[in-house]
Amino acid sequence: SQTIHQWPATLVQPVGSPLSLECTVEGTSNPNLYWYRQAAGRGLQLLFYSVGIGQISSEVPQNLSASRPQDRQFILSSKKLLLSDSGFYLCAWTWGSGNTIYFGEGSWLTVV
Amino acid sequence: AQTVTQSQPEMSVQEAETVTLSCTYDTSENNYYLFWYKQPPSRQMILVIRQEAYKQQNATENRFSVNFQKAAKSFSLKISDSQLGDTAMYFCAFMKQPSNYQLIWGAGTKLIIKP
Repeated sequence: SQTIHQWPATLVQPVGSPLSLECTVEGTSNPNLYWYRQAAGRGLQLLFYSVGIGQISSEVPQNLSASRPQDRQFILSSKKLLLSDSGFYLCAWTWGSGNTIYFGEGSWLTVV
Repeated sequence: AQTVTQSQPEMSVQEAETVTLSCTYDTSENNYYLFWYKQPPSRQMILVIRQEAYKQQNATENRFSVNFQKAAKSFSLKISDSQLGDTAMYFCAFMKQPSNYQLIWGAGTKLIIKP
């Protein structure tokens, strides 16, 4: 069966420091991959999605970037974190003609 | 553009009662999917139920069922025999078809099940 994992689960970083959140999917190939952010008490905001290796689409201008170096790996990065980058980040995936998005466990980021 | 509205920010019911969460959406699309996701205190987003717009029959998953009214653009979630573990945020979401699988989300309803 397919599983999705992301890490780290929690992260406390100072303003101006870099960020790297990683997500991997197992049990499938060529998935569509997503990064979402959820601010406290708010809904989900799509940040990036990828339909293949090296193919990244950005939904909102921001201080973050995404990369997909391998088929089942999706990385969220920042060179210099801002306080406003704090939130709960969720990686997600779907596959082929599948029309349901499945989520990882999430990562809590606090920028101090 | 599509929008999803959840008009109930918070609800609470006693354990074993039935509760209905409301969701309305706005779209000009004819083919789409609707979802209810649950987000417990652990924060992981869990799929509860899915409805294809072309199906007239309402989807059911054990104690969870939906009332899908396509003409009214309404998609409510009914939880029967509610349990303490149902305490969570519930999000309604829309996905047009064909698409790049992007979800349009409602703001969520916080559901509290009281013992």
